[in-house]
Amino acid sequence: GQNIDQPTEMTATEGAIVQINCTYQTSGFNGLFWYQQHAGEAPTFLSYNVLDGLEEKGRFSSFLSRSKGYSYLLLKELQMKDSASYLCAVREVGATNKLIFGTGTLLAVQP
Amino acid sequence: DTGVSQDPRHKITKRGQNVTFRCDPISEHNRLYWYRQTLGQGPEFLTYFQNEAQLEKSRLLSDRFSAERPKGSFSTLEIQRTEQGDSAMYLCASSRFKSGYPYEQYFGPGTRLTVT
Repeated sequence: GQNIDQPTEMTATEGAIVQINCTYQTSGFNGLFWYQQHAGEAPTFLSYNVLDGLEEKGRFSSFLSRSKGYSYLLLKELQMKDSASYLCAVREVGATNKLIFGTGTLLAVQP
Repeated sequence: DTGVSQDPRHKITKRGQNVTFRCDPISEHNRLYWYRQTLGQGPEFLTYFQNEAQLEKSRLLSDRFSAERPKGSFSTLEIQRTEQGDSAMYLCASSRFKSGYPYEQYFGPGTRLTVT
């Protein structure tokens, strides 16, 4: 079966650091993606991990441990515009390579 | 790169009517996906095209749903005899597949369907 878990909501303060966790149990694994989605808008690609370790892109970093079925997205120097839903998705093995999404974590950044 | 575009952005229809949505992927992308997203949930896979061939359909896609990608460029998703349960955001995504490597999917702005 496919199961991807992430917290439903988180709150953080402007300028701070926040870590959004994602655990997964999937029948196949061909990479883990993080997307940002503002209300009423399309998901926007943030990061991709296929090997264990940390990938850094500016204020955003993503970590993967395949043996633990675990990833996190780290957001530094939070800004008000970072208030959004953050979606964790696993890409399936196979010809389709479709994405299996978690329900998303709604992050509220407060002043 | 003008991004993935979808039309219309919003559609309100009465139960029982047919609706059709269009997706224009990024021009060099040969893979196209349709997803459906309801409030508070992540997107769920509906169907996938590689060039003009529809290679996979989810069990979520009932017989009332049909999708095409006639020339391997734009795609349409039609829902016949709409039901209130069809109300959702319909997202289209496209990606490249090159040298055996699948690249990340880029999403369009979505079509929000409301069935009254």
